Amino acid sequence: GNSVTQMEGPVTLSEEAFLTINCTYTATGYPSLFWYVQYPGEGLQLLLKATKADDKGSNKGFEATYRKETTSFHLEKGSVQVSDSAVYFCALRETSGSRLTFGEGTQLTVNP
Amino acid sequence: AAGVIQSPRHLIKEKRETATLKCYPIPRHDTVYWYQQGPGQDPQFLISFYEKMQSDKGSIPDRFSAQQFSDYHSELNMSSLELGDSALYFCASSLGGYPGNTIYFGEGSWLTVV
Repeated sequence: GNSVTQMEGPVTLSEEAFLTINCTYTATGYPSLFWYVQYPGEGLQLLLKATKADDKGSNKGFEATYRKETTSFHLEKGSVQVSDSAVYFCALRETSGSRLTFGEGTQLTVNP
Repeated sequence: AAGVIQSPRHLIKEKRETATLKCYPIPRHDTVYWYQQGPGQDPQFLISFYEKMQSDKGSIPDRFSAQQFSDYHSELNMSSLELGDSALYFCASSLGGYPGNTIYFGEGSWLTVV
């Protein structure tokens, strides 16, 4: 079946540091890939997405590139801010299905 | 822009009671999804509806049922509640089944079973 794996453990960074959150997936066919963000006490918000290989999704300084050869969709940001502190979920939606399958989530804490 | 509306935002129930959650999708969206998120967990897919028909089913307990009505709003009914049902329940909606279409989430309904 389909699955998404994110890097283990929470991530703590200082403001203006570079961020990478790794995400790899297993799927049949050619899924669409998403990053969602969940701020404390809030719902899930779409951060960015990519629908085919080599597509790059970007939003609010975050970027992720759909790498079919490595089945990855790593999230990056060049300079994080305190306001980026949240839980980040990588997710896929398979070609023929409709549901989103989520990774375990990565808690990001950015300190001033 | 209109978003997915969920109600109630918070509810507290006792074990063995029944709870009903409501969801109003984004206008013109034809697909509704329900997810359950336990504390510190990723969202788990429960069930989805497309044009008022069940389209996919995940790890939804037999004690739970859901439906989508003619106005496209959806309700999740949970009976014989257990302590383990305490979670954040998300409703989400999207337009059509194209996998690249974004699924938009509501702010969730917090259920506490005591």
